[in-house]
Amino acid sequence: DVKVTQSSRYLVKRTGEKVFLECVQDMDHENMFWYRQDPGLGLRLIYFSYDVKMKEKGDIPEGYSVSREKKERFSLILESASTNQTSMYLCASSLPFSNQPQHFGDGTRLSIL
Amino acid sequence: AQSVTQLDSQVPVFEEAPVELRCNYSSSVSVYLFWYVQYPNQGLQLLLKYLSGSTLVKGINGFEAEFNKSQTSFHLRKPSVHISDTAEYFCAVSDQGGGGFKTIFGAGTRLFVKA
Repeated sequence: DVKVTQSSRYLVKRTGEKVFLECVQDMDHENMFWYRQDPGLGLRLIYFSYDVKMKEKGDIPEGYSVSREKKERFSLILESASTNQTSMYLCASSLPFSNQPQHFGDGTRLSIL
Repeated sequence: AQSVTQLDSQVPVFEEAPVELRCNYSSSVSVYLFWYVQYPNQGLQLLLKYLSGSTLVKGINGFEAEFNKSQTSFHLRKPSVHISDTAEYFCAVSDQGGGGFKTIFGAGTRLFVKA
């Protein structure tokens, strides 16, 4: 079974801090994704990556950056956290074909105070 | 551009009753269709997918979905729900030419199963 592991389940940070969310997958998937999930809005794509060091902006990239130095690891960075970034963050991975499902981690619930 | 509309934000239902969660999509290209389930404090997991062939697709936990091309719908059904089916359900569409990274998720439907 594919396992996608997010480093923290819950995280509390202060406004202005630089925040790192880490995600690791163990199935050698090319594609990795970061979403944020807010009630009534579903999942919104922040960034995705289709290979090491390759990244593409999703629908809501403002205020975020990403890093993919190794195939199995995809990091989301909040450069200067703000309260409107309080949310659930989900990482996912998949094979590089559109008929393949995405495999999700359990999420990180991030609170910015 | 693609879009996905889940027509009900919340669906309350009694245990052992049938349920249908509705999903409509729009797309200018051919798509693949998915349903995911999210249990409390967990990530999403795949319930079922439609790629081609028979329009009735069976998934895990007794769920099934029917693809209707003319109505651009992909409704999820279960003939008899259990308390353990209480969760949020997401419909998703993936652009067939998208390389796996052009997937749009609906806003979700919360299913509440009551005893």
